[in-house]
Amino acid sequence: GAVVSQHPSWVICKSGTSVKIECRSLDFQATTMFWYRQFPKQSLMLMATSNEGSKATYEQGVEKDKFLINHASLTLSTLTVTSAHPEDSSFYICSAQREGRTYEQYFGPGTRLTVT
Amino acid sequence: GESVGLHLPTLSVQEGDNSIINCAYSNSASDYFIWYKQESGKGPQFIIDIRSNMNKRQGQRVTVLLNKTVKHLSLQIAATQPGDSAVYFCAEKRANTGNQFYFGTGTSLTVIP
Repeated sequence: GAVVSQHPSWVICKSGTSVKIECRSLDFQATTMFWYRQFPKQSLMLMATSNEGSKATYEQGVEKDKFLINHASLTLSTLTVTSAHPEDSSFYICSAQREGRTYEQYFGPGTRLTVT
Repeated sequence: GESVGLHLPTLSVQEGDNSIINCAYSNSASDYFIWYKQESGKGPQFIIDIRSNMNKRQGQRVTVLLNKTVKHLSLQIAATQPGDSAVYFCAEKRANTGNQFYFGTGTSLTVIP
């Protein structure tokens, strides 16, 4: 149990376009999901915390108007990278916190975004 | 533009030897820690966790040690196998910031057959 999926697994887009990444908890409900970004050979950087039914909380330095997060249900959160630029190319990873289990966090397989 | 960032520390060990991976954290209010393993192109996998009221926890072939005095965490892998080759991250949960986890720099482990 506790499987988290992401879609797409990789995407290539042109500069200036927007890209939506989905994060789904497949066999459990997740009131909270987290979005991370990871550049090559670097650590995971927490971008934002997504709570079902409320606005996301962004980490310092992350532009909320550029990285739109929607957590419309207990099993789905989406991250939209708006007006993408080459510097947004990265590996985006989500994690889902099982409802009622504060310390249990399950990671998705990640989405590789390349902006040309 | 050119991206600038830290490069991951690396550790190479012979198959069968024990590995020790270290992590320093900075926030004395952190109350829970997790070690994750990340293989290339994949999301992190949970290995073992430890709460701040403990100083040692053992799992299958892995042991985590926590030294709160110097804010240091280590992961020991016994009888390292080629399948252990990956990047290892420690993550800390800070007691006063909700349920977010913050990741350390990471260490790239290579097991030599």
